Amino acid sequence: DAKTTQPPSMDCAEGRAANLPCNHSTISGNEYVYWYRQIHSQGPQYIIHGLKNNETNEMASLIITEDRKSSTLILPHATLRDTAVYYCIVTRTGANNLFFGTGTRLTVIP
Amino acid sequence: AAGVIQSPRHLIKEKRETATLKCYPIPRHDTVYWYQQGPGQDPQFLISFYEKMQSDKGSIPDRFSAQQFSDYHSELNMSSLELGDSALYFCASSPPKLAGDTQYFGPGTRLTVL
Repeated sequence: DAKTTQPPSMDCAEGRAANLPCNHSTISGNEYVYWYRQIHSQGPQYIIHGLKNNETNEMASLIITEDRKSSTLILPHATLRDTAVYYCIVTRTGANNLFFGTGTRLTVIP
Repeated sequence: AAGVIQSPRHLIKEKRETATLKCYPIPRHDTVYWYQQGPGQDPQFLISFYEKMQSDKGSIPDRFSAQQFSDYHSELNMSSLELGDSALYFCASSPPKLAGDTQYFGPGTRLTVL
């Protein structure tokens, strides 16, 4: 699976949009971009995933660049409960494991 | 909606003892995954099962074994426990492949080895 690079930490003001970047320059054509988050010591929570088109659900939006070498997770209106470690994971369909890198620790500030 | 259930939520054992962790996947999910997260570390994949057969193996010690049963629940058996086995153990499940590969995680079991 392709390696990902994320900033180790970010801050965001409550109510503002949080934009979390991820680089995955070695992504293959059959690999998806998944985003999970982990709120302190809880189980990782699935957020969103995509292949090449932008995706949106009730939690977030995922913007994937045209060359697919990077993506951005957008939390449109961050709340204090969004404080967590966010993991960008690239994996192919049918893969049996997720490789969690170091992720981005997002702190939402009141 | 029903989620992944793990039991027990907390477990304290002595060195060299054994432990069994249980995982009940989301209904109609046929694949189960186990992950280990040490203190201050990121989750690491241990092993997975699809339709009761081992489908992939990660950094699982030989002292650990796991299986998936006919009702799709899974158990992780850990023997000769060491202090370094103290960690959070997460189970995840995913639906039949045609319905997608997204893994949904349980709340975890916190194992403390004294």
